Amino acid sequence: QVILQESGPGLVTPSGTLSLTCAVSGDSITTPHWWTWVRQPPGQGLEWIGEIYHSGTTNYSPSLKSRVTISVDKSNNQLSLKLNSVTAADTAVYYCGREVDMGDGTVGIDCWGQGTLVIVSS
Amino acid sequence: DIVMTQSPDSLAVSLGERATINCKSSLSVLYNSNNKNYLAWYQQKPGQPPKLLIYWASTRESGVPDRFSGSGSGTDFTLTISSLQAADVAVYYCQQYYSPPYTFGQGTKLEIK
Repeated sequence: QVILQESGPGLVTPSGTLSLTCAVSGDSITTPHWWTWVRQPPGQGLEWIGEIYHSGTTNYSPSLKSRVTISVDKSNNQLSLKLNSVTAADTAVYYCGREVDMGDGTVGIDCWGQGTLVIVSS
Repeated sequence: DIVMTQSPDSLAVSLGERATINCKSSLSVLYNSNNKNYLAWYQQKPGQPPKLLIYWASTRESGVPDRFSGSGSGTDFTLTISSLQAADVAVYYCQQYYSPPYTFGQGTKLEIK
């Protein structure tokens, strides 16, 4: 059973940096999957932030690309998200996930963490 | 970016009746090389992460009840719940996996009438 667990500060001050970690158990982060971050503002829909392959190759949402960094830590089997220059608009539940490849490209997110709420406020 | 638009925004259906949710993409998500549509459907219940229901527009994820079905191709897709159960009350999202950023629809809230 694959389990993903997000962790990090629940409160970030405006203009600061949001930093989250996603610990992966039951699977190796070096298996042929892409790993992703998705966020959801309170009461709103889902926003895809970006993805990373264990090689370090990344894809980011253009709307966040200038502020976001996703990385992997193979030794600890985890991935990380950094989002800088945050504002109240970045308040959301942040989810990490595993994107599944059925042999013909990525088709969806089959494993999700429970999510962690990050509030941007002074 | 590919824009995903769902309709309706909310839907109320009686128990045992059919529920239909639509999703339209601004560009085709059909790969001609393998004739597969890179369109996924998710179910999200309150306080939970989304759950993958369907990928390739019509392939059910393992363990998903067969009352859930997906159809469509190119730019127009449908999620159908053939006989609504109380456990199906949730928000449903479509997502394209044709090209990054892998955008979601805005969601459709499904309730019991």
